[in-house]
Amino acid sequence: DTGVSQNPRHKITKRGQNVTFRCDPISEHNRLYWYRQTLGQGPEFLTYFQNEAQLEKSRLLSDRFSAERPKGSFSTLEIQRTEQGDSAMYLCASSGTGGEQFFGPGTRLTVL
Amino acid sequence: QKEVEQNSGPLSVPEGAIASLNCTYSDRGSQSFFWYRQYSGKSPELIMFIYSNGDKEDGRFTAQLNKASQYVSLLIRDSQPSDSATYLCAANAGNNRKLIWGLGTSLAVNP
Repeated sequence: DTGVSQNPRHKITKRGQNVTFRCDPISEHNRLYWYRQTLGQGPEFLTYFQNEAQLEKSRLLSDRFSAERPKGSFSTLEIQRTEQGDSAMYLCASSGTGGEQFFGPGTRLTVL
Repeated sequence: QKEVEQNSGPLSVPEGAIASLNCTYSDRGSQSFFWYRQYSGKSPELIMFIYSNGDKEDGRFTAQLNKASQYVSLLIRDSQPSDSATYLCAANAGNNRKLIWGLGTSLAVNP
């Protein structure tokens, strides 16, 4: 399968714990995006990488969120000291030169 | 603030009919427009993109773009129950290719 993959698919954690999600983009894509989506809403932009450089981070994103893409391939999104309001689907997408973004299956986070 | 607006629906059409989904955008600088389909609990799936004014057809789907009116639409011909989903419209915002998303229109195709 050459699509975008995300792990884990589901994560249940207790409030205050740290969680880390991984995204593996389509191999030839140099752009990688993280989004968050809650029920009834469109995807909310979190951050964007071109190769290993993080070019933009949403102002809505608190300091508890951090993302890396150390070698310009896979990316990780970490949430520290999780809160119940962090419960959402976390989506990763990648794009090449064409600009069309292709999404992975998402990681559903539940914070108890 | 750059926005993309869609009617939330639900839009209900009988099987075999044409479903028409509409989207407006505020940023005249947007160059690329995308339609995604999202089934409940799943991630968005790209079904159409359009860059130029006019129509673009792909199978049962036709995307229409009118930059002067800042309007994008998606037509689904011969609608099937499997087309029942939320349809998200997105427009690019600047050179970083970040997308601005609408909230989606819920489509129900009734057998």
